[in-house]
Amino acid sequence: TQLLEQSPQFLSIQEGENLTVYCNSSSVFSSLQWYRQEPGEGPVLLVTVVTGGEVKKLKRLTFQFGDARKDSSLHITAAQPGDTGLYLCAGGPGYSTLTFGKGTMLLVSP
Amino acid sequence: NAGVTQTPKFRILKIGQSMTLQCAQDMNHNYMYWYRQDPGMGLKLIYYSVGAGITDKGEVPNGYNVSRSTTEDFPLRLELAAPSQTSVYFCASSGPGSNQPQHFGDGTRLSIL
Repeated sequence: TQLLEQSPQFLSIQEGENLTVYCNSSSVFSSLQWYRQEPGEGPVLLVTVVTGGEVKKLKRLTFQFGDARKDSSLHITAAQPGDTGLYLCAGGPGYSTLTFGKGTMLLVSP
Repeated sequence: NAGVTQTPKFRILKIGQSMTLQCAQDMNHNYMYWYRQDPGMGLKLIYYSVGAGITDKGEVPNGYNVSRSTTEDFPLRLELAAPSQTSVYFCASSGPGSNQPQHFGDGTRLSIL
């Protein structure tokens, strides 16, 4: 069974601060996906990273896939209250189902 | 655009009762999934299906059953509900393979008392 460890579990910051959350595993993944989940809703895909070392940017969010395809990070620049939510990483071998991490709960206060 | 629709949104059951959680998708996806989400525990896969007539167990299948008679629908059945099944249940669908994005419904919040 592939396991994904996310850190930190919880992060509370002020508007305008920068932050990084991490997603680590001892297994190699074909790809890693990042989702954001808001209260009362299902997760929504933010990005998929496929190539080792790949960096993708989505406005103030920067996603990186590790060179060995075992880890990934999400960096948010100048966080805003609208970034509040549960951030989940998920990985799979490519041919089967996804394994989800436990998530990082981010609270951004005005 | 409907996407993935789950019903009901909320339900309270008594111990030993049974119920079916409904899930329908209109994206013509072959792959469908059922997850449960407990506080601080992320998403655990209960069952999944790669097409009509084909289902397979996930990580936590005990106490649940599924069927997939059509591409659109993937109901989850709870038999003899137990307090340990109190959770939020999410249905999702995707194209083939784990590289494809999964599209989630808004969940069913189930309490077993």
